[in-house]
Amino acid sequence: GAVVSQHPSRVICKSGTSVKIECRSLDFQATTMFWYRQFPKKSLMLMATSNEGSKATYEQGVEKDKFLINHASLTLSTLTVTSAHPEDSSFYICSASVGQSTDTQYFGPGTRLTVL
Amino acid sequence: LAKTTQPISMDSYEGQEVNITCSHNNIATNDYITWYQQFPSQGPRFIIQGYKTKVTNEVASLFIPADRKSSTLSLPRVSLSDTAVYYCLVASGFQKLVFGTGTRLLVSP
Repeated sequence: GAVVSQHPSRVICKSGTSVKIECRSLDFQATTMFWYRQFPKKSLMLMATSNEGSKATYEQGVEKDKFLINHASLTLSTLTVTSAHPEDSSFYICSASVGQSTDTQYFGPGTRLTVL
Repeated sequence: LAKTTQPISMDSYEGQEVNITCSHNNIATNDYITWYQQFPSQGPRFIIQGYKTKVTNEVASLFIPADRKSSTLSLPRVSLSDTAVYYCLVASGFQKLVFGTGTRLLVSP
């Protein structure tokens, strides 16, 4: 159990275009989902916390107008990178939790974004 | 949020037991300790979670002393496929996770 999927697994796009990444909890309902980005050989950096039915909470330094997050259901959250630039190229990972006090976060397989 | 400190890297050989220690001096009463494993270009994978004393599952053991200011992940008889980055995190379930540098484990033949 506790499987989280992401789609697509990798995407290449031109500079200036927008890219949507989906995160789904396959066998449980996730009240909270988190979005991270990770640069090569670096640790994961939290971008935002997404709660179903409410606005996402962004970490300091993350542009909310550039990284649009929607958590429309208990099993789906989306991250849209708007007007992508080469510096947005990174590995984007989502995680999901049920939201209980002893809860564990389960991570998706990640999405490799390359902006040309 | 509790900050964690781990060794940057460790080397081992196949068949050996590997112990990775994590320091979390500011752990809060409600915090749990969770370890994740990450392979290149993959999302972190949950290994084990504990609150105090010892927890064991099919892949690892987690030792937590009474003061909970540190924890040790024990991997018995590692294989080449255990080469990965291991992250120690402390948080209560409602909190966001703050990843440290992790420990890069290299298992050699």
